[in-house]
Amino acid sequence: QKEVEQDPGPLSVPEGAIVSLNCTYSNSAFQYFMWYRQYSRKGPELLMYTYSSGNKEDGRFTAQVDKSSKYISLFIRDSQPSDSATYLCAMSAGNTDKLIFGTGTRLQVFP
Amino acid sequence: SAVISQKPSRDICQRGTSLTIQCQVDSQVTMMFWYRQQPGQSLTLIATANQGSEATYESGFVIDKFPISRPNLTFSTLTVSNMSPEDSSIYLCSAGQGDTEAFFGQGTRLTVV
Repeated sequence: QKEVEQDPGPLSVPEGAIVSLNCTYSNSAFQYFMWYRQYSRKGPELLMYTYSSGNKEDGRFTAQVDKSSKYISLFIRDSQPSDSATYLCAMSAGNTDKLIFGTGTRLQVFP
Repeated sequence: SAVISQKPSRDICQRGTSLTIQCQVDSQVTMMFWYRQQPGQSLTLIATANQGSEATYESGFVIDKFPISRPNLTFSTLTVSNMSPEDSSIYLCSAGQGDTEAFFGQGTRLTVV
């Protein structure tokens, strides 16, 4: 079993839809959770960073962490074609520990 | 947030040669990392670049193949040695800020022919 599981997609939605992206993990020591967006031929761009459980909102993006279920989510409201990219979850146990990445979910938002 | 400049952005190399990738961060950072991302796949950590000491390599990666330098808190290099077509990939450096927010460079797209 992988430490971090993420559905690779692709996920195709119409413009304006609410998108839900998810990761599950097995290591209960993970405390730091990140979501990255990666456009084709670019490096990953940090979108959201959360510590421990709870929600965090930034504009159209909301990150949720449920440590009891070992489940994290990224919601994108009012999705735009410019949101079309691969979304990677990543997590670590501590501030000197390596990040463990999911495989990424490819999202396509069509007009 | 840290701004990370990585170069070259891409290269095509002959098998058997070596390529050195440079990573420059605009501020001092404790942790720097090197990743490989093969087409359509996620990121695989190659090593942690430690300032003033030898890099820490992940399973499956060795210093002879991927020597790393970290002369100071803002700069690191990764060399891909004695390349073969299997080394064709995107190589990424990242810098952590101590609270594990990790920022990435734009990557180096390497093709070995």
